[in-house]
Amino acid sequence: DVKVTQSSRYLVKRTGEKVFLECVQDMDHENMFWYRQDPGLGLRLIYFSYDVKMKEKGDIPEGYSVSREKKERFSLILESASTNQTSMYLCASSSRQEQYFGPGTRLTVT
Amino acid sequence: GENVEQHPSTLSVQEGDSAVIKCTYSDSASNYFPWYKQELGKGPQLIIDIRSNVGEKKDQRIAVTLNKTAKHFSLHITETQPEDSAVYFCAASTDSWGKLQFGAGTQVVVTP
Repeated sequence: DVKVTQSSRYLVKRTGEKVFLECVQDMDHENMFWYRQDPGLGLRLIYFSYDVKMKEKGDIPEGYSVSREKKERFSLILESASTNQTSMYLCASSSRQEQYFGPGTRLTVT
Repeated sequence: GENVEQHPSTLSVQEGDSAVIKCTYSDSASNYFPWYKQELGKGPQLIIDIRSNVGEKKDQRIAVTLNKTAKHFSLHITETQPEDSAVYFCAASTDSWGKLQFGAGTQVVVTP
């Protein structure tokens, strides 16, 4: 089975802090994605990567950056966390079109 | 870009009844339409998908239909059970990288 793991299930950070969310997949997938999930808005794509060191902006990249130094690992970075970034963050990976999700990280910024 | 609308936002059904969730998409180039189920505290899980060269697909109690002309697709769950209670998301994709555009989700509650 495909396994996508995320470094934390719950995270509480202060405004202005730099936040790192880590995602690891074990299926040698080329593509990896970061989404945020908010009630009534579904899943919105922040960034995705189709290869090591490659990244593309999604629909809501403002305030975020990403890093993919190894094929299995994709990191989401909040350079200076703000309260409007309080949300559920989901990582996914895929080799073609079928995406497999991790359990999510619920981030609260106070 | 692609826009996916999903209805209804909440759906309450009696155990044993059928549930239907409908989605519309805007980009006629979309060619892949997955459905995800998200249980409380978990990430979304792919339950069924359909590609644009197919009109209907079934897997036990769930089925998906696609109408390319009208640009809408639907999820049908028959003989609903309490474990079907979850949030369901539809999505559409136009590219081979698998970038998905999601609907807003439907909260399904199956009451015994």
